[in-house]
Amino acid sequence: TQLLEQSPQFLSIQEGENLTVYCNSSSVFSSLQWYRQEPGEGPVLLVTVVTGGEVKKLKRLTFQFGDARKDSSLHITAAQPGDTGLYLCAGALDDMRFGAGTRLTVKP
Amino acid sequence: DTGVSQDPRHKITKRGQNVTFRCDPISEHNRLYWYRQTLGQGPEFLTYFQNEAQLEKSRLLSNRFSAERPKGSFSTLEIQRTEQGDSAMYLCASSLQGDAWEKLFFGSGTQLSVL
Repeated sequence: TQLLEQSPQFLSIQEGENLTVYCNSSSVFSSLQWYRQEPGEGPVLLVTVVTGGEVKKLKRLTFQFGDARKDSSLHITAAQPGDTGLYLCAGALDDMRFGAGTRLTVKP
Repeated sequence: DTGVSQDPRHKITKRGQNVTFRCDPISEHNRLYWYRQTLGQGPEFLTYFQNEAQLEKSRLLSNRFSAERPKGSFSTLEIQRTEQGDSAMYLCASSLQGDAWEKLFFGSGTQLSVL
């Protein structure tokens, strides 16, 4: 089983819609990170959340860290085709571990 | 700084051959990670270095895999006697341990195809 479970695995929506993807674990993390990966490239860091209950905003992206620091969510408002990609969450234990990701497709 | 660079970008090899990949991290970064990623999955941890010391190696990593970081700068990942199941994207990332919250910077990866 994955240390970090991400859902949904796939998501296909129309431009302008809102969406939320989730990252869950039974482990407590000192921090969780969200990355976005495009085909043929390495993941790129979007945000790090460190405090239970923390909410961070990055333009149309809102990231939340659960109160118990075991889960996180990413909400995208008014999705655009440029948001298409694989969204990965990662948590640090002794080293950085990744979930399997949510593959988002935003259709024009 | 040009970021993390990996070479080659693509490698096609025949089963049973040995392959070696290189990673050049961001110059001031002291941590270097190797991950493997297959289609539809997230990066799977293989091993990491702090400076030249290899601190952790995944239990999933068979003895056909070896990694080095001889001078604490660039790193190589070698796979001996490749198998078709080794086909994947091999990603390298570097970070500065000592930052408040570790941030990984990834290279573009080496795509390995074993025929």
